[in-house]
Amino acid sequence: AQSVTQLDSQVPVFEEAPVELRCNYSSSVSVYLFWYVQYPNQGLQLLLKYLSGSTLVKGINGFEAEFNKSQTSFHLRKPSVHISDTAEYFCAVSIKAAGNKLTFGGGTRVLVKP
Amino acid sequence: GAVVSQHPSWVICKSGTSVKIECRSLDFQATTMFWYRQFPKQSLMLMATSNEGSKATYEQGVEKDKFLINHASLTLSTLTVTSAHPEDSSFYICSARGTGETGELFFGEGSRLTVL
Repeated sequence: AQSVTQLDSQVPVFEEAPVELRCNYSSSVSVYLFWYVQYPNQGLQLLLKYLSGSTLVKGINGFEAEFNKSQTSFHLRKPSVHISDTAEYFCAVSIKAAGNKLTFGGGTRVLVKP
Repeated sequence: GAVVSQHPSWVICKSGTSVKIECRSLDFQATTMFWYRQFPKQSLMLMATSNEGSKATYEQGVEKDKFLINHASLTLSTLTVTSAHPEDSSFYICSARGTGETGELFFGEGSRLTVL
């Protein structure tokens, strides 16, 4: 079975500073990788996804992530955060042959301070 | 992107009553929908996979008689929490799988259930 670990439960960051959210996964088979953002009392919005091809993936709102197969990581980065980036971020994986059933990491709460 | 709508967004009920939550794909047909449960400040836990026209597949530890799932059409899945108790209070989120090779998932806004 696959699993996802988000190493940081909370990340405080100042406005306009860069941020990196770490995600590691384990799986014996090929996976798709995703990052989602959740604002309070809302569902999830897809930030970006890695399916195949280039390991550097660019998403919405200035976010990007890099797939590193050897380190089984899919870290999310943004060079300059805004107050509006304050939210919960979830890394998720799905097995290519398993009907896209997602397994989520524990989430990282980003708090952007002015 | 595609839109998935959940209703109601908030529901408060008395212990022992049943509550139905609807999940609709508004602009696409979804043969598969997923129901998740999220406790405060925690991640999403998959409860069940709902397939149109067939029985739902429940994850280990999820009581199928407690959480009834019906997927009667390609645009609607419902989750009924039967005989709700305070421990069933949670945020319930559905997602619907789009078409295509990757079948990207689109999430509803979530439904917060509070059982008194």
